[in-house]
Formats: sequence, C-alpha cells, structure tokens
Amino acid sequence: AQTVTQSQPEMSVQEAETVTLSCTYDTSESNYYLFWYKQPPSRQMILVIRQEAYKQQNATENRFSVNFQKAAKSFSLKISDSQLGDTAMYFCAFTLTAGGTSYGKLTFGQGTILTVHP
Amino acid sequence: DSGVTQTPKHLITATGQRVTLRCSPRSGDLSVYWYQQSLDQGLQFLIQYYNGEERAKGNILERFSAQQFPDLHSELNLSSLELGDSALYFCASSYEYSLSYNEQFFGPGTRLTVL
Repeated sequence: AQTVTQSQPEMSVQEAETVTLSCTYDTSESNYYLFWYKQPPSRQMILVIRQEAYKQQNATENRFSVNFQKAAKSFSLKISDSQLGDTAMYFCAFTLTAGGTSYGKLTFGQGTILTVHP
Repeated sequence: DSGVTQTPKHLITATGQRVTLRCSPRSGDLSVYWYQQSLDQGLQFLIQYYNGEERAKGNILERFSAQQFPDLHSELNLSSLELGDSALYFCASSYEYSLSYNEQFFGPGTRLTVL
C-alpha cells in the first residue's frame, strides 16, 4: 500500500516571502504521479502542480515549484512571492500508473495549513 | 468552476438515517471518484466508477454503496448513519482513467452532518 506523509500540520509565512511544504511518500512501485492540491476556505480542491515520477526535471507552475527526490521519496512544494490568496490547506497526493495506465485513485497526505500574513 | 456538480451542498440528518449524495461529472468524463474528508480520517478515497462499472474500492464502509448511471451521474448512498460519518464528501471526475495522466476535477463537495 502507498502512504503519503506531511509532517508539518501548520506553516506560516509573510507576504512576498518563500515557503516550502514537505511531503514524503512510500511505494514499491516505480511509475506514479505526485500532486499538490490546494484547498482554500471555500473547500474547493484545486490542483496546483503535478510531477511524473519518470521525469527528473522538477515541475514548475508560475510561483509554485517542486523539489522531487525520487530516491529519497520526497516531494516538497516551494511557493515563491507568497500572496494572501495562497492561504489554504495544501495536500500532497499520489497515484499509480502502470505502463501508461493510471489506476486513478489519489492517496492524500494529512495536509498542511498554510497562513500567509500581510 | 470545475464543471463537476454535487447536490445537495449541505445535509443535516439524524443517526440511523439514510441519505443519497449526487454527483454529475464534467461533460464527457467517464470516470467518477468519491472521497471522504473528515477530521479523524483526513481525505480518503472511497470508490471509483468508470462508464457505469465499479473499478476500484478504497476504505468504504459496508453501510455505504455507490453506483454510476447510464447518463454517467453517480450517487453515493450512506445508510445507518453514525456520528462519525459527518464529513465533507467529494466527487471527482476524469475523462479516461486508462490514459497515462488523468487530471481529476473535484466538485464543491457535500457537507454531511449527522446529529
């Protein structure tokens, strides 16, 4: 079974600064995807960024980037130039793929509450 | 707006009762997933349907059941409700689960409160 662990229940950062959220996972499989989802107070789940395990290059999406360390099974999210709208719960998630076929179901970590202060 | 709709938004009921949560996937999406978000269990996968057939099961209780209809909407039925079933229930949809990558689009959720 796959597990995802987020060891930081809460984080805070000043507006315009940079913050890194940590995530580790455990799997014996070699083909998978990793994701960061954002859940603002509205409770809507929003995909922030994804990473394919077979790609060595770290994914980036505007102010969001990841540090993917496959051997260490680590997948951290860096938010640069933090904005008030980044205040949310952030979930790290994992899904298997196999020969191009995605099993689909997402396994989530416990979440990290990020608060951006003005 | 993800294009996934869930009804009702809020549901308040009593222990022992039965409720049905409804999900309409994005137009063209064949796969529907149900997730439960609770304080105790976090966010966990319950069950997946693809084009009307059950494809994967997670930590879904025997008191819970789901189905996907020919028009691809899905219903999650929760029976003999207990206080611990109070949670936010999400539905997500994706186009084709067998592609190498399928982004799941989440609905707004149904907040269930069992009193």
